Amino acid sequence: GENVEQHPSTLSVQEGDSAVIKCTYSDSASNYFPWYKQELGKRPQLIIDIRSNVGEKKDQRIAVTLNKTAKHFSLHITETQPEDSAVYFCAAYRTGTASKLTFGTGTRLQVTL
Amino acid sequence: DGGITQSPKYLFRKEGQNVTLSCEQNLNHDAMYWYRQDPGQGLRLIYYSQIVNDFQKGDIAEGYSVSREKKESFPLTVTSAQKNPTAFYLCASSQGTTRSYTFGSGTRLTVV
Repeated sequence: GENVEQHPSTLSVQEGDSAVIKCTYSDSASNYFPWYKQELGKRPQLIIDIRSNVGEKKDQRIAVTLNKTAKHFSLHITETQPEDSAVYFCAAYRTGTASKLTFGTGTRLQVTL
Repeated sequence: DGGITQSPKYLFRKEGQNVTLSCEQNLNHDAMYWYRQDPGQGLRLIYYSQIVNDFQKGDIAEGYSVSREKKESFPLTVTSAQKNPTAFYLCASSQGTTRSYTFGSGTRLTVV
């Protein structure tokens, strides 16, 4: 089955700096890659996603890049703010008879003043 | 609450008891999922169902059971066979064409 690895497990940046979280996946048939943000005690919420026919996608301060050949994708947050502090999960989805998301282990991002 | 409701928010279980966690959605989504979340281990899939009256085991199904008698409902039973049930449980649903998940607000289960 699919295996998703996520790094780093914790990340601390100063307000205004950029943050990058990286994920790799194992199943070359995976074709959809969402990112979720989970604030303390709350549900994960989708913040951005990318499909396998696209190399990069941007939404304001958030961007995601995908390298299908290397089977890795990354989340980039620019101009970080304290409200960006949360746990971020990457995931990979493979369409088929057992379609489901496989999640990475999460990155705890702390934005300090 | 975002179209998918989990109850209760907090649940306490005694050793040897079975407990059932509720998950209801009004999004008309075909697929539903149960995840377990432990600190530092991300989201691990327990069971999932892509259609009514059908479900599949996920990565950590032992000690859990589910049913999918209605499209809107996907209850999870934590049985006494689950040796370490204390965790945060998240239910999610998705529509096949979009593939993005909508999560419930979770149930925190504690064994006392």
